[in-house]
Amino acid sequence: AQTVTQSQPEMSVQEAETVTLSCTYDTSESDYYLFWYKQPPSRQMILVIRQEAYKQQNATENRFSVNFQKAAKSFSLKISDSQLGDAAMYFCAYCGQGGSEKLVFGKGTKLTVNP
Amino acid sequence: DAGVIQSPRHEVTEMGQEVTLRCKPISGHDYLFWYRQTMMRGLELLIYFNNNVPIDDSGMPEDRFSAKMPNASFSTLKIQPSEPRDSAVYFCASSRGGFVAPYEQYFGPGTRLTVT
Repeated sequence: AQTVTQSQPEMSVQEAETVTLSCTYDTSESDYYLFWYKQPPSRQMILVIRQEAYKQQNATENRFSVNFQKAAKSFSLKISDSQLGDAAMYFCAYCGQGGSEKLVFGKGTKLTVNP
Repeated sequence: DAGVIQSPRHEVTEMGQEVTLRCKPISGHDYLFWYRQTMMRGLELLIYFNNNVPIDDSGMPEDRFSAKMPNASFSTLKIQPSEPRDSAVYFCASSRGGFVAPYEQYFGPGTRLTVT
């Protein structure tokens, strides 16, 4: 079974600085998808960014970018120019290409942004 | 679109009572997922449907849990009888299917269940 590990339960960053959240996963599949979801205190789960495993280019969405290392099974999220609104729980998630739409989530990283 | 709608937002009940959580997915989405979130176990997929048919219920913890999707716009998750360890936030999510999978899952606001 696939597993997703987020080794940093908590992280903090100064406003306007850059922070990187780590995620590793375990799978025997060659094609899959990876996601980062944000969960602010409101509890709403919001998709931040997604990466298709067959794409070598790292995904970017405005201030959010990923460092996808397929051989190392690593999928880190970089947040540039951190803003107070970025404070939230961040979840890394995996979805296989086996026809299933199931997401497997990591335990999450709580990000604090200091003014 | 109003997004995924869940009701109630909060539910407090006593042990042994039946609890029913409700979900209305986004119109046009043919996948529906039920998740449970706890501090100890994180986010767990309980069950998911495709075109109203349950595809994988391997995450349903016990026979006390059941889920139905009688039509494309409504699903329920029922716990009978409820126990204190069922206290959690329950999320419903929906997504479009298709040949280019997977589409983004859109989550509802969640139902915070407290069983005393």
